[in-house]
Amino acid sequence: DVKVTQSSRYLVKRTGEKVFLECVQDMDHENMFWYRQDPGLGLRLIYFSYDVKMKEKGDIPEGYSVSREKKERFSLILESASTNQTSMYLCASSRPDRYEQYFGPGTRLTVT
Amino acid sequence: GEDVEQSLFLSVREGDSSVINCTYTDSSSTYLYWYKQEPGAGLQLLTYIFSNMDMKQDQRLTVLLNKKDKHLSLRIADTQTGDSAIYFCAENKNSGYALNFGKGTSLLVTP
Repeated sequence: DVKVTQSSRYLVKRTGEKVFLECVQDMDHENMFWYRQDPGLGLRLIYFSYDVKMKEKGDIPEGYSVSREKKERFSLILESASTNQTSMYLCASSRPDRYEQYFGPGTRLTVT
Repeated sequence: GEDVEQSLFLSVREGDSSVINCTYTDSSSTYLYWYKQEPGAGLQLLTYIFSNMDMKQDQRLTVLLNKKDKHLSLRIADTQTGDSAIYFCAENKNSGYALNFGKGTSLLVTP
């Protein structure tokens, strides 16, 4: 069965902290994605990666960076967390020959 | 970019059929998807349709595609309270691997 896991379901951080959100998939997928989900705005793509060490900016990359050192792991980094980064963060993965994405359970991040 | 459009809310009675509508943006999209999100959870892939099809049926789910109007719909037969969730439609973007999602339709099923 397809499995995408995220390191935390809930996270509370202070303004200015460096935050790491981890995502792991066990399906050997090449593509991995980070979205944030906010009420009334739907899902917005932050970054995606189509291979190890490769990354592409999505629609809203400002304030975020990513790391993909291993195929199964894709990390989202908030260099200096701000209150407007309080959101639900969703990770997804997909095969290179298919578009359907498989999602993790999400991390609800609160920045105070 | 252009938005995938969905109505925000739908309320139906248990046992009735639900129809969730979506207008997508890219006539060259190869696949169109429906995802379900239950409260506090990630998105679950429900079904998808290939762009050369008009209809796809999967148990209680029926997907209809009108390419001319770029209109996609999801019909849920015999809707149950467990179907209460947010439903997202998505299209594959013209370039790259990303999907373009609608803002989601909140379906409320009342007894």
